[in-house]
Amino acid sequence: GALVYQYPRRTICKSGTSMRMECQAVGFQATSVAWYRQSPQKTFELIALSTVNSAIKYEQNFTQEKFPISHPNLSFSSMTVLNAYLEDRGLYLCGAAPGTEVFFGKGTRLTVV
Amino acid sequence: GQQVQQSPASLVLQEGENAELQCNFSSTATQLQWFYQRPGGSLVSLLYNPSGTKHTGRLTSTTVTKERRSSLHISSSQITDSGTYFCAMEVNTGNYKYVFGAGTRLKVIA
Repeated sequence: GALVYQYPRRTICKSGTSMRMECQAVGFQATSVAWYRQSPQKTFELIALSTVNSAIKYEQNFTQEKFPISHPNLSFSSMTVLNAYLEDRGLYLCGAAPGTEVFFGKGTRLTVV
Repeated sequence: GQQVQQSPASLVLQEGENAELQCNFSSTATQLQWFYQRPGGSLVSLLYNPSGTKHTGRLTSTTVTKERRSSLHISSSQITDSGTYFCAMEVNTGNYKYVFGAGTRLKVIA
């Protein structure tokens, strides 16, 4: 079956440092990968959508300078939270699509101290 | 405007009661999923149901695309069902961007 693994599952970083998180598609080819963030007590908001061989599209309020994304092949994507501060804490979710249905990972929970 | 609306915002049930969660969306949903999240926990995909009725265990989802709504029925609720249930849909066909509802917080008590 199709699975999406995200790691680390939980991570803590010091304020002002950066944190890289990864998303691995297993059992299918992830043509498109979308990254979302859930801030505490809120719902999920889209950060950016990455499609292989196309430019990465960031949503309003999110930038490549802050959340650089790499999508080098059809099974892997990574996103870094640069210069993380308290407002960046939350659950970061990856959704990968081979075509129609989107498969989601369980998320990487980021705590900033 | 809000594209995915969930109701109720919160719900308290006694163990054994059934729960009915609603999701209404402002445009045609070509993809729709229901998710579950325990407080402070990760996200778990429950059902992928863009149309029709699907079952898994004690969960039944019915999506009526024409009426732009989906429901999640939880039968014989258990204390361990407590958490937040999210409905999410693809914004436009084929762009793989999902919009999540605000969630329904379910609390099941003994």
